[in-house]
Amino acid sequence: SAVISQKPSRDICQRGTSLTIQCQVDSQVTMMFWYRQQPGQSLTLIATANQGSEATYESGFVIDKFPISRPNLTFSTLTVSNMSPEDSSIYLCSVDLAGGHTGELFFGEGSRLTVL
Amino acid sequence: DAKTTQPNSMESNEEEPVHLPCNHSTISGTDYIHWYRQLPSQGPEYVIHGLTSNVNNRMASLAIAEDRKSSTLILHRATLRDAAVYYCILGPLGGGADGLTFGKGTHLIIQP
Repeated sequence: SAVISQKPSRDICQRGTSLTIQCQVDSQVTMMFWYRQQPGQSLTLIATANQGSEATYESGFVIDKFPISRPNLTFSTLTVSNMSPEDSSIYLCSVDLAGGHTGELFFGEGSRLTVL
Repeated sequence: DAKTTQPNSMESNEEEPVHLPCNHSTISGTDYIHWYRQLPSQGPEYVIHGLTSNVNNRMASLAIAEDRKSSTLILHRATLRDAAVYYCILGPLGGGADGLTFGKGTHLIIQP
């Protein structure tokens, strides 16, 4: 199993500001995923962040709005830039511990952002 | 991505078995069937996955139709802690290179 810690767990932000969410994993992982969950909705994949390469963004998400860093095999950050109330969501990071061989993704508890 | 269809919500009684259906008529030969659940105010957690054969683990059983166009997640004895949103997802083993695509899921309500 994996322990995934996200910071902050929640925050209230002002419109136009940016916030960086951190994701720390207690073991080395190659693949890490960032998801967004808007209020009352399911999860939507934002991007895949593999160490040593640029993040790959899903349709509707762009690097300027959601820059991602992946400096090593245990850590990643997602920044939500120039926030608007529509960015109020839970942001979750997820990892595949075994490089796709076990069928199990582990998720953090999420970072709940409220943009005023 | 192949899509899944699940009931929006289901209700069951505590200590009774629960059968959560999932239809996936456009499943490809390489798609695994993954089930995750999300308890209130938590991130999703893995429940079970399978390809063709029925699967059992400590949390649940997964029954897969012979034509693979549908599957059923079975909770053998529901507890109040099993109240969650259950997601049936098709995709490669693990997240593959592209992550997993979550649908709306089934909101399972457990009555005491």
